[in-house]
Amino acid sequence: AQSVAQPEDQVNVAEGNPLTVKCTYSVSGNPYLFWYVQYPNRGLQFLLKYITGDNLVKGSYGFEAELNKSQTSFHLKKPSALVSDSALYFCAVRDATGGFKTIFGAGTRLFVKA
Amino acid sequence: IAGITQAPTSQILAAGRRMTLRCTQDMRHNAMYWYRQDLGLGLRLIHYSNTAGTTGKGEVPDGYSVSRANTDDFPLTLASAVPSQTSVYFCASSAQGQARQPQHFGDGTRLSIL
Repeated sequence: AQSVAQPEDQVNVAEGNPLTVKCTYSVSGNPYLFWYVQYPNRGLQFLLKYITGDNLVKGSYGFEAELNKSQTSFHLKKPSALVSDSALYFCAVRDATGGFKTIFGAGTRLFVKA
Repeated sequence: IAGITQAPTSQILAAGRRMTLRCTQDMRHNAMYWYRQDLGLGLRLIHYSNTAGTTGKGEVPDGYSVSRANTDDFPLTLASAVPSQTSVYFCASSAQGQARQPQHFGDGTRLSIL
């Protein structure tokens, strides 16, 4: 069965410092991996995805994520955090052989302090 | 602007009442989904539809029903609301047959059952 874990409920980082939001996953086949961001009173917005190819994926707003297949991780990173990056971040996985169903993590709240 | 429209934005409802949450998309996506978002639990799939005329049960379908009479609309009905259905409900869509594509979300309906 598919599953996603985001081990941190909250991440705090100072503006200008690098940030990492962690995600580990479990799927039976090859994974399709996604990161979404949610701002207050809004729906989820797509940030980036890994489908195949290079393990380092670049997305919107300067975010990137690196797939580590041996550790089954897909951590979200940004070299220099902005206060405006403060939001709720969701990792999601879809089994490439299992159709369209997507499993979401519980979410990690990112606070960037000025 | 293309996207997903949900209505109402919020609602307070007495227990036992019937309620329909509306969802309309203009992206001509085949697949549509209903999720509920609860603190600490992330997003859980209630029902989905691969294409107009078909629906399926997700992770937490009990107490909810859906219909998909056409491509654009995917209403969610609570036949007899209970307090445990207090949540934020999100409708989403994606291009079916393209598991590589992300989901697009509406801005949610905040539902309180008293």
